[in-house]
Amino acid sequence: EPEVTQTPSHQVTQMGQEVILRCVPISNHLYFYWYRQILGQKVEFLVSFYNNEISEKSEIFDDQFSVERPDGSNFTLKIRSTKLEDSAMYFCASSESPPGYTFGSGTRLTVV
Amino acid sequence: DQQVKQNSPSLSVQEGRISILNCDYTNSMFDYFLWYKKYPAEGPTFLISISSIKDKNEDGRFTVFLNKSAKHLSLHIVPSQPGDSAVYFCAASETGNQFYFGTGTSLTVIP
Repeated sequence: EPEVTQTPSHQVTQMGQEVILRCVPISNHLYFYWYRQILGQKVEFLVSFYNNEISEKSEIFDDQFSVERPDGSNFTLKIRSTKLEDSAMYFCASSESPPGYTFGSGTRLTVV
Repeated sequence: DQQVKQNSPSLSVQEGRISILNCDYTNSMFDYFLWYKKYPAEGPTFLISISSIKDKNEDGRFTVFLNKSAKHLSLHIVPSQPGDSAVYFCAASETGNQFYFGTGTSLTVIP
């Protein structure tokens, strides 16, 4: 069964450093998403991406965040200057057509 | 942000019986609803969806019911199996893009 692949599974970074989380969506999917879950809290929407541009973003997705589809297969989330409160599980998801999408297994980001 | 609520943090059910997981929402503009299940250290796995034009959707052992007037949806699992033990999240959206998740209900199916 096709799956969404996220790398790395765990990333530790120092506060203030830039971090890039990588995702390979399912190949025929056109819609891409990032969500995050801070430990003990809800899964929260960050951003949706379609046709090479952001279609929706939440209040969380401020100027320190950016997304990119650098080639035909990868979808990345960049956090420019990480803060302690950015520590969370970050989930990438993709969809052939909304609603209902396939999530990856997540990247655990720890900011120290 | 309390737009989607799952008021039962946990539920235990005997194998073979029905599991009923509930979800309430506050935004009457929500038109798309999803249920996901999640195992530890894994991403959420899509289970079943429903849109506001329907009040029921069935897929095998899983049925989702939507009561728009009450702003309530529920997931029924019949019969429940031990492998169904996981955390179940409901999620709702106006557009089908940005979904708001509940806090989850941890289901334990007892053999």
